[in-house]
Amino acid sequence: DAGVIQSPRHEVTEMGQEVTLRCKPISGHNSLFWYRQTMMRGLELLIYFNNNVPIDDSGMPEDRFSAKMPNASFSTLKIQPSEPRDSAVYFCASSFSGDYNEKLFFGSGTQLSVL
Amino acid sequence: QKEVEQNSGPLSVPEGAIASLNCTYSDRGSQSFFWYRQYSGKSPELIMFIYSNGDKEDGRFTAQLNKASQYVSLLIRDSQPSDSATYLCAVNRGYQKVTFGIGTKLQVIP
Repeated sequence: DAGVIQSPRHEVTEMGQEVTLRCKPISGHNSLFWYRQTMMRGLELLIYFNNNVPIDDSGMPEDRFSAKMPNASFSTLKIQPSEPRDSAVYFCASSFSGDYNEKLFFGSGTQLSVL
Repeated sequence: QKEVEQNSGPLSVPEGAIASLNCTYSDRGSQSFFWYRQYSGKSPELIMFIYSNGDKEDGRFTAQLNKASQYVSLLIRDSQPSDSATYLCAVNRGYQKVTFGIGTKLQVIP
């Protein structure tokens, strides 16, 4: 299996621009998670889906962030408009969901820099 | 109080020694506990998980859980320079919500 695939690996954009991050989970996994990692705050859970349905988006910082999962093999995280404080590494992870045994498999991450 | 607390380190140990990494969590209803390893510039990878009180051993790694004290630890025996990484404690608080600590940076000195 190719693992969780994220694109792009690096994104440099200017403040105010729209940014779209993409994720393909591991085939057969039914849960998908978006995390953001910074030195100061560590790994923060933004949103997660189960069977393509958003379950908890309480970690999404504000309305500028949105996420979708139109099917079992694809998800996007969009930031519009982007701001310099959004600069971070964004990870997508997937798992086969069971009772409390969420073993997450992470993608390589997207390094986002907003200038 | 943070949901998952770890000392950010760095924790330095000599090669061959035992490295002890600690984590506390705030939600008594948490059911499962994980240790992820993250090399610099890479993504986290799962190395251990534990659900029941006590110890769980896998090779050079031992995870310890004490639910009464809300405490999880990871012991790495015979530490190697290749073990130098950041170790993230993660807690499943229910409904698939997995929360991570800030991570402890481990340095194994040859």
